[in-house]
Amino acid sequence: GENVEQHPSTLSVQEGDSAVIKCTYSDSASNYFPWYKQELGKRPQLIIDIRSNVGEKKDQRIAVTLNKTAKHFSLHITETQPEDSAVYFCAASILPGGYNKLIFGAGTRLAVHP
Amino acid sequence: EPEVTQTPSHQVTQMGQEVILRCVPISNHLYFYWYRQILGQKVEFLVSFYNNEISEKSEIFDDQFSVERPDGSNFTLKIRSTKLEDSAMYFCASLNGQGARETQYFGPGTRLLVL
Repeated sequence: GENVEQHPSTLSVQEGDSAVIKCTYSDSASNYFPWYKQELGKRPQLIIDIRSNVGEKKDQRIAVTLNKTAKHFSLHITETQPEDSAVYFCAASILPGGYNKLIFGAGTRLAVHP
Repeated sequence: EPEVTQTPSHQVTQMGQEVILRCVPISNHLYFYWYRQILGQKVEFLVSFYNNEISEKSEIFDDQFSVERPDGSNFTLKIRSTKLEDSAMYFCASLNGQGARETQYFGPGTRLLVL
């Protein structure tokens, strides 16, 4: 069945360092890849997404890259700050078709130390 | 900015009891979802709903689960006879579905504890 693998499960960095989280998806029909940030006890919030017709997308300190051939996509956070500490989930979906579900990775707990 | 809302925020129930979790999606959204997250685990898809019917459901969504949109604003998840393993955070999500707006927005969740 559909599956998304996410690594690492935990990541600890010093403030100002970069953080990279990697995901692999199994369904080659997947063409939409959002990343959600979830702070403790709160709802998942979309931070960036990418569609399969694009190889890279950047929004300030956050960037996402996609390798369709290898079925990999990654989240890059530069100049990390303590407020970046949270659990990050990657997900994959198939568009168009708004009713298509998100398949989530297992999450990465990022800790940014001052 | 409009948000998805959910009630209650916490629900404690006895095994075998029925629970109804409520969600108010964003008003102009057309697609609705329920996900669950067992403590410390990934977010798992339960069901999607469009045009007043279920469009897809996962293996988790068995006969004990049902969804309903009883009026123009609410979207509910009912668990008929709760089991201990139903203890989880349940998230509702909605999606506009019109044009290129395909982001799912999540509610704050209902933490369900089955004793």
